[in-house]
Amino acid sequence: AAGVIQSPRHLIKEKRETATLKCYPIPRHDTVYWYQQGPGQDPQFLISFYEKMQSDKGSIPDRFSAQQFSDYHSELNMSSLELGDSALYFCASSSGQPRDLAKNIQYFGAGTRLSVL
Amino acid sequence: DAKTTQPPSMDCAEGRAANLPCNHSTISGNEYVYWYRQIHSQGPQYIIHGLKNNETNEMASLIITEDRKSSTLILPHATLRDTAVYYCIVRGPNTNAGKSTFGDGTTLTVKP
Repeated sequence: AAGVIQSPRHLIKEKRETATLKCYPIPRHDTVYWYQQGPGQDPQFLISFYEKMQSDKGSIPDRFSAQQFSDYHSELNMSSLELGDSALYFCASSSGQPRDLAKNIQYFGAGTRLSVL
Repeated sequence: DAKTTQPPSMDCAEGRAANLPCNHSTISGNEYVYWYRQIHSQGPQYIIHGLKNNETNEMASLIITEDRKSSTLILPHATLRDTAVYYCIVRGPNTNAGKSTFGDGTTLTVKP
């Protein structure tokens, strides 16, 4: 079965550079979620989109922005990168209204490992 | 958001059942209990979820107490590949429906 695709898998950037992470959800999934996992930490929710509209927002820095496109893929844009942004970034997708919890299951991608030097 | 409490670590012998507890004493009536696991640096993997009835799928069983203040994830025949961090997450339609809040999970180590 098709899974969530994230690209690139690895990314190395310098401080103050910008980075764009991409997420391709499972076909027919209309909701995308972004998470950040620092070294030795648990995944932390950043932001989510349902039907191309932002549906929930977590502890996402102002330097980061994201959007969901008409084909439901999503991009996380990160500017003025800092050393502390080095982390694993996971994207997850689900089908249907996020508040329909009886059916809402988030499926995660393999992640993008961002290293800021 | 309802807070969850899990033991930091547990061991289990290969082939035996692994029973992972989770306390969620402040859970509301419309909040679901979800279980995910994360094998080292891989994306979290959905296991099972439920509201108040016990649930079973091909991976595991979820037992929720009648008062819903705690639950237990059961892996019936643990294998070495089940070694992972297991997260118990509470999600409600009016609060954190759009996200999964990963707290301190349980590191399960399955030993030969």
